[in-house]
Amino acid sequence: EAQVTQNPRYLITVTGKKLTVTCSQNMNHEYMSWYRQDPGLGLRQIYYSMNVEVTDKGDVPEGYKVSRKEKRNFPLILESPSPNQTSLYFCASSLNRDTGELFFGEGSRLTVL
Amino acid sequence: QKEVEQNSGPLSVPEGAIASLNCTYSDRVSQSFFWYRQYSGKSPELIMSIYSNGDKEDGRFTAQLNKASQYVSLLIRDSQPSDSATYLCAVLYYGNNRLAFGKGNQVVVIP
Repeated sequence: EAQVTQNPRYLITVTGKKLTVTCSQNMNHEYMSWYRQDPGLGLRQIYYSMNVEVTDKGDVPEGYKVSRKEKRNFPLILESPSPNQTSLYFCASSLNRDTGELFFGEGSRLTVL
Repeated sequence: QKEVEQNSGPLSVPEGAIASLNCTYSDRVSQSFFWYRQYSGKSPELIMSIYSNGDKEDGRFTAQLNKASQYVSLLIRDSQPSDSATYLCAVLYYGNNRLAFGKGNQVVVIP
């Protein structure tokens, strides 16, 4: 089954404790992206990757890091989480950047105390 | 100017009626347009894509694109309670191939 898998789905953490949200897709997609979704603000892109070892900032990259060492994986790293990073996070992938037809993961709800 | 705008506020429609959602965008360079549906607590899923002016129909859904007026709309015919969701408009901007999302419109279908 074609899917984008995120882990963890739910996480409560404290300010400053590094955490990683993993994302994996099994569709051999070149393009992967991370979004956060907040009430009243909609979906905002954090980082994206057009292929292995190629990553770039989206609209709200501050406080986040990503890596793309393998085509299937695109982890999101919060080096020192703060309460304003409390949000619902989605990983998404598509065949390439030329298409807007994204496949989304199930989401990861993060709370930073 | 916001890149992708959708009407604010939930849209309530009786079961069997037509739900109409509108989206406007700011950049004439945009070439590809998408509608995503997001159920409460779930992730967005693509339901329609449209690339050229006119109408595109898929089952009970019709997407309409008017590039001259810079709007794209989604019609849901014979609305069902299962259509109750938030609908996100997305626009792909050529050049930087950036996909911009609107904030979404909530649709509530009343049985």
